Amino acid sequence: EVQLVESGGDLVQPGGSLRLSCAASGFTFSSYWMSWVRQAPGKGLEWVANIKQDGTEKFYVDSVKGRFTISKDNTKNSLTLHMTSLRADDTAVYFCARNWRSAFDSWGQGTLVTVSS
Amino acid sequence: QTVVTQEPSFSVSPGGTVTLTCGLSSGSVSAHYYPSWYQQTPGQAPRTLIYNTNTLSSGVPDRFSGSILGNKAALTITGAQADDESDFFCALSMGNGISVFGGGTKLTVV
Repeated sequence: EVQLVESGGDLVQPGGSLRLSCAASGFTFSSYWMSWVRQAPGKGLEWVANIKQDGTEKFYVDSVKGRFTISKDNTKNSLTLHMTSLRADDTAVYFCARNWRSAFDSWGQGTLVTVSS
Repeated sequence: QTVVTQEPSFSVSPGGTVTLTCGLSSGSVSAHYYPSWYQQTPGQAPRTLIYNTNTLSSGVPDRFSGSILGNKAALTITGAQADDESDFFCALSMGNGISVFGGGTKLTVV
């Protein structure tokens, strides 16, 4: 069974940094693109970033370029999102998702990031 | 800036059929965008329903189907049930590693 478990969400001040992690199990992690998708309170889903199977290609939504970094450790079956220069509008539940056929076929339960002073 | 459009809300009667759509603010949606559909209830993670326009995700009942209707992607639910009442999101792959979600449709079964 595919399992994705996010962690690392917290309350952080504007301008601060945070590192989110996603522990994957139940599938061959090294064979899949992976993504982070977020959802602000009461809002819709927003794709944030994705990373190729071997980590050699990464893509970001414009609003996080230069501030967020996605990475993948295939030896530890772990996906990470390093977030810096956090802003109030980064407040959201962050989901880890597995990519398949240009879609998101498995999801974690999410971790809440709150940016507030 | 690419905007993916969805109806903000829709109603369907129990047992009825409803079609939700997913369009582009400029241009047409085709299979080239690999449209996918997700269902979400409050406080829960999204559930994948459809990918690659019309492929049913594992475990999803065949009451759900996907297609291209005119210049939009479409999600059709037949025999609507009370527990279909939820938010539905579509996503399009823009072909450059980037995905864009629509704003979502809140479906009411009443």
